[in-house]
Amino acid sequence: DIQMTQSPSTLSASIGDRVTITCRASQSISTWLAWYQQKPGKAPKLLIYKASSLESGVPSRFSGSGSGTEFTLTISSLQPDDFATYYCQHYNSYPYTFGQGTKLEIK
Amino acid sequence: VQLVQSGAEVKNPGASVRLSCKASGYTFSSYAIHWVRQAPGQRPEWMGWINGGNGDTKSSQKFQARVSITKNTPATTAYMELSSLRSDDTAVYYCAREGPRGDDYFDLWGQGSLVTVSS
Repeated sequence: DIQMTQSPSTLSASIGDRVTITCRASQSISTWLAWYQQKPGKAPKLLIYKASSLESGVPSRFSGSGSGTEFTLTISSLQPDDFATYYCQHYNSYPYTFGQGTKLEIK
Repeated sequence: VQLVQSGAEVKNPGASVRLSCKASGYTFSSYAIHWVRQAPGQRPEWMGWINGGNGDTKSSQKFQARVSITKNTPATTAYMELSSLRSDDTAVYYCAREGPRGDDYFDLWGQGSLVTVSS
């Protein structure tokens, strides 16, 4: 199985900050990577697919980059609604796996 | 466009649970439905999928012996049955739709069904 490792596990930031979350795959997954945002008690919400494609309706302050084994999710200017947990997910081969999550907290 | 899942379940160890996921607002047969579970405080875990058209299925090896994913196309509903339940199967179970080009990211999610396994 491909292991997905996110860093950091917790991130404290302020409104207006630029933040970056990293996701590393244990082997190359090309660009078959998605990012999700999850709030407590809710289902994950798709933000980015194919490593850098922004899902329709998602604010442009979210962006993704990377290929192979290293990927990043960047939020250019944090808004109050962005404080949540973020997960990466690969869909290169079965079984699909998720990172352990990055909890974005208010500083 | 939505996926609406069945309600919470409480099961004894060793029992089975069958969850449903009703799709509306899109052509059910054009998209695969995946099942993903999330134990408390843990990362999501992919379980398997069913092709909404031809009914082909694929399950994670972790669950292969215990999971059955089926569908009823006229009812636009997918089902996931998990057998031989254990306490570590306690989780929220989500159904999710594949992306529009057949890529296996998940662009639409159900609200989740909590399954509690306890004696």
